[in-house]
Amino acid sequence: DVKVTQSSRYLVKRTGEKVFLECVQDMDHENMFWYRQDPGLGLRLIYFSYDVKMKEKGDIPEGYSVSREKKERFSLILESASTNQTSMYLCASSPPGNQPQHFGDGTRLSIL
Amino acid sequence: DAKTTQPPSMDCAEGRAANLPCNHSTISGNEYVYWYRQIHSQGPQYIIHGLKNNETNEMASLIITEDRKSSTLILPHATLRDTAVYYCIVRVGRGSNYKLTFGKGTLLTVNP
Repeated sequence: DVKVTQSSRYLVKRTGEKVFLECVQDMDHENMFWYRQDPGLGLRLIYFSYDVKMKEKGDIPEGYSVSREKKERFSLILESASTNQTSMYLCASSPPGNQPQHFGDGTRLSIL
Repeated sequence: DAKTTQPPSMDCAEGRAANLPCNHSTISGNEYVYWYRQIHSQGPQYIIHGLKNNETNEMASLIITEDRKSSTLILPHATLRDTAVYYCIVRVGRGSNYKLTFGKGTLLTVNP
């Protein structure tokens, strides 16, 4: 079974802090994704990566950056956290082509 | 990606088959149909996907009409743990547009 592990289920941080969300997958997948999910807005893609050190912006990259130094790990960075970044963050991975994305359990992040 | 239409909610008795419909009348020839579900406070779980043939796995069956304008996800013996929001997604499997766009989905409630 595919396993996508997110480092924290719940996280509370303060405005202005630099926040790191970590995601690890164990299936040697090329593609990895970061989404955020908000009530009424569905899933929105922040960034994705199709290879080590490669990244592409999704629909809402502002205020975020990512890092993919190893194939199995994809990190999301909130450079200076703000209250409007309070959300559920979901990481996913997939092989290339038409194969499905598999999600982690999410990190519920609160910025105070 | 083609737009999908699903009923907002459905009920099913435990042990009976749950049939969840999805309309995707604007689907194009290279777009796949994917089904996911999300149980409250967890990440989306992949269920099944297909292009034009019917598909079956250990979780469910996917029936796609011959014109591909609609599909049905079948959970053959629904249990209480199948209560979740079910999402039908249509997207191209290749290229740079890898993102998944989740609509509002169908809230399936399995009753004892």
